Amino acid sequence: AQTVTQSQPEMSVQEAETVTLSCTYDTSESDYYLFWYKQPPSRQMILVIRQEAYKQQNATENRFSVNFQKAAKSFSLKISDSQLGDAAMYFCAYRSATQGAQKLVFGQGTRLTINP
Amino acid sequence: NAGVMQNPRHLVRRRGQEARLRCSPMKGHSHVYWYRQLPEEGLKFMVYLQKENIIDESGMPKERFSAEFPKEGPSILRIQQVVRGDSAAYFCASSPLPSAGPNSPLHFGNGTRLTVT
Repeated sequence: AQTVTQSQPEMSVQEAETVTLSCTYDTSESDYYLFWYKQPPSRQMILVIRQEAYKQQNATENRFSVNFQKAAKSFSLKISDSQLGDAAMYFCAYRSATQGAQKLVFGQGTRLTINP
Repeated sequence: NAGVMQNPRHLVRRRGQEARLRCSPMKGHSHVYWYRQLPEEGLKFMVYLQKENIIDESGMPKERFSAEFPKEGPSILRIQQVVRGDSAAYFCASSPLPSAGPNSPLHFGNGTRLTVT
């Protein structure tokens, strides 16, 4: 079974600075997808960014980018120019590409605090 | 274009009562996933359903929990004889047909917070 590990329960960053959230995963599959979700206090799960394992190029969405290291099974999220609205729980998630096995497997989460 | 709708938003039950959580997927989505989130933890997969079929229930507790997604109407997660340990946020997510590919993101509802007193 696949597992996802986020080793940083909490992180904090000064507004406008850059922060990197870590995520590692364990799988024997070669084809899969990785996601970062944001959960603000409202509890809503918001997709931040996604990465296909077969793509070598790291995904980027505005101020959010990932560092995907397939061999190391690492998938970190970098947030540039941090804003107060970025404060939330961040969850890394894995999804198999195998038909019928497409549930998301989540990490434990990292609580990100933005200091003004 | 309504997203995934879950109700109620908050549900309080006494020990031994039944809890029924409802989820209406996004329009055009025929697949539903249920997740449970304990305080300060990540979301744990419970069950994956399509209309009238359970595809994967590997995360469902063996007793007291059941889920359905009928041909008409919302998906229901039912917890019988609730205990304090069932207190959690329960999230529903939906996706279009698997042919859309596993890269198509799951769309989540805002969750139901169940409190067992």
